[in-house]
Amino acid sequence: GEDVEQSLFLSVREGDSSVINCTYTDSSSTYLYWYKQEPGAGLQLLTYIFSNMDMKQDQRLTVLLNKKDKHLSLRIADTQTGDSAIYFCAASETSYDKVIFGPGTSLSVIP
Amino acid sequence: DTGVSQNPRHKITKRGQNVTFRCDPISEHNRLYWYRQTLGQGPEFLTYFQNEAQLEKSRLLSDRFSAERPKGSFSTLEIQRTEQGDSAMYLCASIPLASGIETQYFGPGTRLLVL
Repeated sequence: GEDVEQSLFLSVREGDSSVINCTYTDSSSTYLYWYKQEPGAGLQLLTYIFSNMDMKQDQRLTVLLNKKDKHLSLRIADTQTGDSAIYFCAASETSYDKVIFGPGTSLSVIP
Repeated sequence: DTGVSQNPRHKITKRGQNVTFRCDPISEHNRLYWYRQTLGQGPEFLTYFQNEAQLEKSRLLSDRFSAERPKGSFSTLEIQRTEQGDSAMYLCASIPLASGIETQYFGPGTRLLVL
């Protein structure tokens, strides 16, 4: 089955860019996602990319996909203290299938 | 507030007791999912309903776990003979039938502590 890995911690200064990396194992994963979870808050889908795309940009968020290496990254431009949260990389085979989550990357933004 | 509600929000129980959680999805969301999230981990899929039909169950869902969605609206997740390893956050999510995960919403979760 699918296995999703990501680094556990990232610390950046406010105003810098953050890059969170993720690898997945199952080439049949068609949908790749980034979720955000803040303390005491629910899980929020930030953005997603189809496996036939290389890049997707959404305001301050840029998702890059290297399908050959099964590597996904999330870049947050001009990182703010409000971006401090846990970010989960995730994958699914279809748009309504179960989602396989990575362990999460805890992003700390230093003022 | 995403519109998906879960009750109770917190539950403390003693080992061996039975517990039941409820999820009320967004109205007209036909697909409903249960996930479990332990501390420091990502959510793990437990089971999935389309209307009242339970279409998939994870191997994580042992015979002590049962989930229902009798009228295709709210869903319940029951854990019998709870064990300390069941302590986790139980998350519910829903999606409309005509859409995909881009319209998925998660509830706030039920945090279970088994003593």
